Amino acid sequence: EAQVTQNPRYLITVTGKKLTVTCSQNMNHEYMSWYRQDPGLGLRQIYYSMNVEVTDKGDVPEGYKVSRKEKRNFPLILESPSPNQTSLYFCASSRGRTHYEQYFGPGTRLTVT
Amino acid sequence: RKEVEQDPGPFNVPEGATVAFNCTYSNSASQSFFWYRQDCRKEPKLLMSVYSSGNEDGRFTAQLNRASQYISLLIRDSKLSDSATYLCVVNRGTGNQFYFGTGTSLTVIP
Repeated sequence: EAQVTQNPRYLITVTGKKLTVTCSQNMNHEYMSWYRQDPGLGLRQIYYSMNVEVTDKGDVPEGYKVSRKEKRNFPLILESPSPNQTSLYFCASSRGRTHYEQYFGPGTRLTVT
Repeated sequence: RKEVEQDPGPFNVPEGATVAFNCTYSNSASQSFFWYRQDCRKEPKLLMSVYSSGNEDGRFTAQLNRASQYISLLIRDSKLSDSATYLCVVNRGTGNQFYFGTGTSLTVIP
């Protein structure tokens, strides 16, 4: 089954404790992205990648890191989480080039206390 | 100014009604346009891409007006299952950078 998976689905952590949210897709897609969704603000792009080893900042990259060492995986790293990073996070992938239709993972609900 | 703006609603319509949503975008260089559907904090799912000539998929019709920089979604014969938040999404066409509207909430009432 074609899908985007994210782990964990729910995470409660404390300020400053490094964490990684994994994202994996099995559709051989070139493009991948991370978004956060907050009430009243909609989905905002954090980072995106157009291929292996090619990443770029989206609209809200501060406090986040990403890497794209393999085509299928695109982990999101929070080196020192803060309460303002409490949010719902989505990973997405698309075929790329002229095919921009995105497929989303189920989301990760992160709470930083 | 926001890249993409949508009327948040809520739109409450009876079953069988026709409802239309509009979305405006600010960057005239935008190239690709989409409507996504999101159910109660679940992942967004692609409803349809929006083409310059307009396109239709069953009860759903999408239109693009480049001159006025807006896109629209028309839902005919609304079903209870259409209740969701509809997200307007724009891609500038220079790669993988997307801008989402905050969504329009639709509730279809029996």
